[in-house]
Formats: sequence, structure tokens, C-alpha cells
Amino acid sequence: AQTVTQSQPEMSVQEAETVTLSCTYDTSESDYYLFWYKQPPSRQMILVIRQEAYKQQNATENRFSVNFQKAAKSFSLKISDSQLGDAAMYFCAYSGGGSQGNLIFGKGTKLSVKP
Amino acid sequence: DAGVIQSPRHEVTEMGQEVTLRCKPISGHDYLFWYRQTMMRGLELLIYFNNNVPIDDSGMPEDRFSAKMPNASFSTLKIQPSEPRDSAVYFCASTPRDRVSDTQYFGPGTRLTVL
Repeated sequence: AQTVTQSQPEMSVQEAETVTLSCTYDTSESDYYLFWYKQPPSRQMILVIRQEAYKQQNATENRFSVNFQKAAKSFSLKISDSQLGDAAMYFCAYSGGGSQGNLIFGKGTKLSVKP
Repeated sequence: DAGVIQSPRHEVTEMGQEVTLRCKPISGHDYLFWYRQTMMRGLELLIYFNNNVPIDDSGMPEDRFSAKMPNASFSTLKIQPSEPRDSAVYFCASTPRDRVSDTQYFGPGTRLTVL
């Protein structure tokens, strides 16, 4: 069975600085997707960034980028120029290719941003 | 597009009562997922549908839980009878038809409290 591990329950960053959130996963599949979702206090799950396993190039979305290491099964999220609005829970998630539909989530990392 | 719509946003009920949660997916999305979020277990899949047909209900905790999707624009998750341990945030998510493992878009969630 696939698993997703986020080893940092909490992280803190100074406003305008850079922070990296870690995620590792375990799977025997070769085709899959990886996601980072943000959950602010409003509870809304917001997609931050998405990576397809067959793409070697790391995904980027404005201030957000990932470091995808397929062999190491690692998928870290880098937030540059951190803003107060980035404070939230961040969840790493895995979705298998083919007919499997569900997301498997890590336990989450609570990110605090200090002004 | 209005996004995934869930109702109610909050529900407080007494043990033994029937609870019905509702979800309207994004138009054109053929896959619909129900997740539950608790502090102890994190985010976990309960059930998902493809073209209104339940595909995987292995996450439904017990017979007290049931889910239906009578048409492409509406789904319900019912708990009967409810118990205090059912207290959680319940999310509905949908994804487009092209690939099962494509990005899932979440509704705002329903916070259920069973007294």
C-alpha cells in the first residue's frame, strides 16, 4: 500500500524568507501524481502545486516550487519570499495512475510565518 | 464556475440522529470523492464515484454510513444513527473526466459535531 510521510509537524519562517517542507512517499507504481495542498484556518483545501511522476522537470507555481526526486521518493515544497498569507497546514498527497482514484495524504505540516 | 459546493457548512446533532451531508461537484467532473478529516486519522477517503456509480467504498467505516449519487450534479453522505466518534470535517471533491488521478478540487467541507 502507498504511504505518504511528512516528518515535520510544525515549521516556522520569517516573512520574505524561504522555507522547505519535506515529504516522502512509498509506492511500487511507476505512474502517479503528487500534490501539495494548503489548508488555512478556513478549512478550505487549496491546491498549491502538482507534479506528474513521468516528468523529470520540477513543477513551479510563482513562489512555490518542488524538488521531486523520484528515485529517493522525495517530494519537497519550497516557498520563496514567504508571506503572512502562507501560514496554513500543508498536506502532501499521492495519487496513483490508472484506475486508482483516491488521494493518500500525509499528516500535514503546520507552517507559521513571522512578521 | 462556483466550485464544489457542500451543505451544510456546520452541523450539530445528538447521538442517534440521522445526518445527511450534501455535495454538488463542479460541472463536467465525472469523479466525486468523499473524505473525512479528524485529528487522529488525518484525511481519509470514504468513497468515490465515477459517472454516478460507486467505485470504491472500502473506506466507509461501517454500515451506519451510506452514500449516493443519483445524478451527475448531486451526492449525499448519510450517517444513521450518528455517534460522537463521527465528529469530523467531511470534504467532497471532484475531478475531470480525463484521468482519474487528475487534480481533485475540494469543497469547503462540513464540520459535523455529534453530541
